[in-house]
Amino acid sequence: EDKVVQSPLSLVVHEGDTVTLNCSYEVTNFRSLLWYKQEKKAPTFLFMLTSSGIEKKSGRLSSILDKKELFSILNITATQTGDSAVYLCAVDSMNRDDKIIFGKGTRLHILP
Amino acid sequence: EAGVAQSPRYKIIEKRQSVAFWCNPISGHATLYWYQQILGQGPKLLIQFQNNGVVDDSQLPKDRFSAERLKGVDSTLKIQPAKLEDSAVYLCASSLKRVRDRGSGDGYEQYFGPGTRLTVT
Repeated sequence: EDKVVQSPLSLVVHEGDTVTLNCSYEVTNFRSLLWYKQEKKAPTFLFMLTSSGIEKKSGRLSSILDKKELFSILNITATQTGDSAVYLCAVDSMNRDDKIIFGKGTRLHILP
Repeated sequence: EAGVAQSPRYKIIEKRQSVAFWCNPISGHATLYWYQQILGQGPKLLIQFQNNGVVDDSQLPKDRFSAERLKGVDSTLKIQPAKLEDSAVYLCASSLKRVRDRGSGDGYEQYFGPGTRLTVT
């Protein structure tokens, strides 16, 4: 059965710290891995990764994919209280049903 | 460009009542998704449409949930009758992904609407 597992499930750090969020997956016919930030309701898109070893970067956030070991990490450097959110990882497959599977998310809380 | 629109934003109903949610995807997006997100969990796909056809509804509780996208644009999701465990946020998302793209290695971003928070009492 296809699955996406995120760790840790929750994380509390102080402002200025660097955090690394993990996402591992078991999906047949992988197409892409997506990271989203969810603050109140709708997830907002952060990154889409399709190739191994190529880092995607946006400000203090970066992400990389390892298709051999089937995982991705999301790094946030110099964290701010505005980074507090649930970070969701999702994997898109090229299977017949074109399913996108979400992990349970990592709840990140940044202390001032 | 305008985002994914959903209504209502909030709904409170009693168990055994019916409820309907509406979603209008981004113009030109062939694929539309309905997700159920229970507090503390990731979104769970209920149904996926490409144009007006159903691609995947394997996790839709078909005895009480139904969805349609008759003209391949906007969509409605209905629950009849509602149960307490249906309390959740219902998210609609759309993407450019098309049937003929199946097998393509290109990724597709999903754009989410604001969601509808349903409380069943």
